[in-house]
Amino acid sequence: DTAVSQTPKYLVTQMGNDKSIKCEQNLGHDTMYWYKQDSKKFLKIMFSYNNKELIINETVPNRFSPKSPDKAHLNLHINSLELGDSAVYFCASSLSRVETQYFGPGTRLLVL
Amino acid sequence: RKEVEQDPGPFNVPEGATVAFNCTYSNSASQSFFWYRQDCRKEPKLLMSVYSSGNEDGRFTAQLNRASQYISLLIRDSKLSDSATYLCVVTGGGGSYIPTFGRGTSLIVHP
Repeated sequence: DTAVSQTPKYLVTQMGNDKSIKCEQNLGHDTMYWYKQDSKKFLKIMFSYNNKELIINETVPNRFSPKSPDKAHLNLHINSLELGDSAVYFCASSLSRVETQYFGPGTRLLVL
Repeated sequence: RKEVEQDPGPFNVPEGATVAFNCTYSNSASQSFFWYRQDCRKEPKLLMSVYSSGNEDGRFTAQLNRASQYISLLIRDSKLSDSATYLCVVTGGGGSYIPTFGRGTSLIVHP
């Protein structure tokens, strides 16, 4: 069984569209994260939730909105997609805020 | 000064070599330290947690030097399969639990 799963794995879309990426973890972890890895491979945290509460909200355009319906799920909705949003988005989870993170396989987003 | 800095490499070494990576961090109150490995087009995976007392796992040894604010990773007897990008991660300190990744160090092990 996959510990941290993301859907979709690939997403190709046009500028201006709205899209969502879903993440689920079956590890019983309290903390979940969204990261963006750009073309230069730099992995930058975007958001983190702990027990469904937003605890980290880095400098991210407000077109990006996370939502955690329960501890096992953290979704990312992106409005009005731009070319610069093209990247790999990784979801991760950890037992607590200072513990090891386990990553999902990533969602490769390409905005045309 | 960047929060977490790594030499990007690439480090190009022959099989069997010993190679060492360093990572410096700026937040002296940081609490947790990790080395992750990322293969091309894959997700990062934990290689080792790093403790003040140092830790070893087979060919891999990690050290933390709080006074100088750096962590290190030593790989002995390099294998072709060690070729990957090694990411240093530092978390927290001062009430902040933001995990910060270094840009990664690329290792290429050749025959």
